[in-house]
Amino acid sequence: QKEVEQDPGPLSVPEGAIVSLNCTYSNSAFQYFMWYRQYSRKGPELLMYTYSSGNKEDGRFTAQVDKSSKYISLFIRDSQPSDSATYLCAMSSALTGNQFYFGTGTSLTVIP
Amino acid sequence: GAVVSQHPSWVICKSGTSVKIECRSLDFQATTMFWYRQFPKQSLMLMATSNEGSKATYEQGVEKDKFLINHASLTLSTLTVTSAHPEDSSFYICSGRQGGDEKLFFGSGTQLSVL
Repeated sequence: QKEVEQDPGPLSVPEGAIVSLNCTYSNSAFQYFMWYRQYSRKGPELLMYTYSSGNKEDGRFTAQVDKSSKYISLFIRDSQPSDSATYLCAMSSALTGNQFYFGTGTSLTVIP
Repeated sequence: GAVVSQHPSWVICKSGTSVKIECRSLDFQATTMFWYRQFPKQSLMLMATSNEGSKATYEQGVEKDKFLINHASLTLSTLTVTSAHPEDSSFYICSGRQGGDEKLFFGSGTQLSVL
């Protein structure tokens, strides 16, 4: 079983829709959770960073962590064509040293 | 967020030559840097982890004599692809982590094409 599972999509939504992206994980020791956005042929850009459980909101983006279910989500409200990218979840723990665990990424297309 | 500058953004070279890719953390001290390789429509594949002043730790299957990593300072890491071959053509991305921080910041990537 992979440490982090993420549906690769592709996901296609109309402009203005609410997008839900999700990852599940198996290691209950994970404490730090990140979402990255990666445009084609660019490096990933850190979108959201969350420690432990709970919600975090930043503009149109909301990150949720449910440690009891080992499940994290990223919601994008009022999606825009510029949101079209691949979204990667990542997680780590102080117990895993320098290791970061990434999902495979979900490809999102927002259609004007 | 913190900025990691990666150069060059793309490079074309002849088979057998060596190519150096630079990764600089501009506004933080990266005690740890990671080098990834990414094939089209695939996720990041960790190649090696380097701590400042120490030898890099390579992932299984990555040839350390082929992919030379130097992390001589807290703001600079380099990846040298030695005697490059067409199968080394790929997108290479570096990332930096500040000590005590669990956030990773990525460079913009380098597309290497070996002819």
